[in-house]
This record gives sequence, C-alpha cells and structure tokens, in this order.
Amino acid sequence: GDSVTQMEGPVTLSEEAFLTINCTYTATGYPSLFWYVQYPGEGLQLLLKATKADDKGSNKGFEATYRKETTSFHLEKGSVQVSDSAVYFCACASGSARQLTFGSGTQLTVLP
Amino acid sequence: SQTIHQWPATLVQPVGSPLSLECTVEGTSNPNLYWYRQAAGRGLQLLFYSVGIGQISSEVPQNLSASRPQDRQFILSSKKLLLSDSGFYLCAWNSGSTDTQYFGPGTRLTVL
Repeated sequence: GDSVTQMEGPVTLSEEAFLTINCTYTATGYPSLFWYVQYPGEGLQLLLKATKADDKGSNKGFEATYRKETTSFHLEKGSVQVSDSAVYFCACASGSARQLTFGSGTQLTVLP
Repeated sequence: SQTIHQWPATLVQPVGSPLSLECTVEGTSNPNLYWYRQAAGRGLQLLFYSVGIGQISSEVPQNLSASRPQDRQFILSSKKLLLSDSGFYLCAWNSGSTDTQYFGPGTRLTVL
C-alpha cells in the first residue's frame, strides 16, 4: 500500500528562520501530493497541493515541489512567523478511490 | 460555497456506552465522504469512506461502524465504546472530480 514518511518532530525555530519539513512517499501510479496544517484543537486545512511531477504548490509563503525522481514533496518557508506554529501533515492521494494516506505529522513551534 | 459540519464538538462517554457522531456537508451533491481518527500525538487513520448513499468501505476492522443515510450525511457509530476509541474524529469530503479533501472541525471523544 501507499505510505508517506515525514521528518520527525517536534521542530522549534526562531521567528524569521528558514523552515524545511521533509516528506517522501511510496505510491502506485501518479499520486497527487498535499500539505495540510492543523492548528490546536481544529481540523485540517489544506495548505498547498501538486498534482503532477515538477509542479510547485505555494500558499502563504510556503512552497513544495513535486519531485518524482526522488519521490519527495518537501515543505519550505523562507521566514517563519509565530502564527505558523501548528502540526503539518504531508499526504498523497492515489488509487481508484483517491484515498489520502497521511504522514505522521510534524509539530512546528516558532518562538518570538 | 461548501461547508462541512460535525457534532458534537466534544464528547465524554463511559466505557460500554453507544456512540453516534454526525457529519453533514452543505453546498454540494454526491460528495465522497470520509471518517478519520487521530489518536493523541499521532497521525490520521482512515476509518471509513463512502462514494454514495448506502455505500461504505471500511479500512480498519474495529469497534466502529459507519452509515450514510442521506447524500450529504455521514454517521459514525459504536454499540459499545472501548477506552481505545478515545481520540479526535475528523470527517472530510471531496467531489468526484478532485483529490483534495476538505475537513470538518472534528469531534474530541474521551472514553472513561
């Protein structure tokens, strides 16, 4: 079956630092790739997505590029803010029902 | 625009009691619907999904069941709760034409 492996957390950064959260996947066919964000006590919000190789998803200063050759979809942001503190989930959708398979999540804390 | 509702927001139940969690989607028709569970400090586990009324697929054999009595209503049930059923339950939907799933606000279930 499909699987998604995320960088282990927690990650603690100072405000304005550079962020990278690694994500690799194993899936059949041509999966779509996603990053979701979860703020404390809330559901998941879509952060960005990419549907084919070399696509770059971007939103709110976050970016991730679909790298088929390395089966990766690493999340990056050039300058994090305290408000970015949350749990970030990488996910892929594949198969006939396009079910999402999630990574284990990475807790990010940004200190002022 | 589409919205997804879940209730209740929080629930505390004794071991052995029944459970019914409800999810409804507005502003779309014939959505795919999903139930996930998020245990404390862990990732998301897909429990059930449905591509139409009365059509339920189970991903993990367990103490829970799901039903879809109406097009935009998805219910998660149990006849007798276990301690291990505690967690954060998330409902999600997508349309048949896209991979992107949109999540509800979640229900926090504590079984004592």
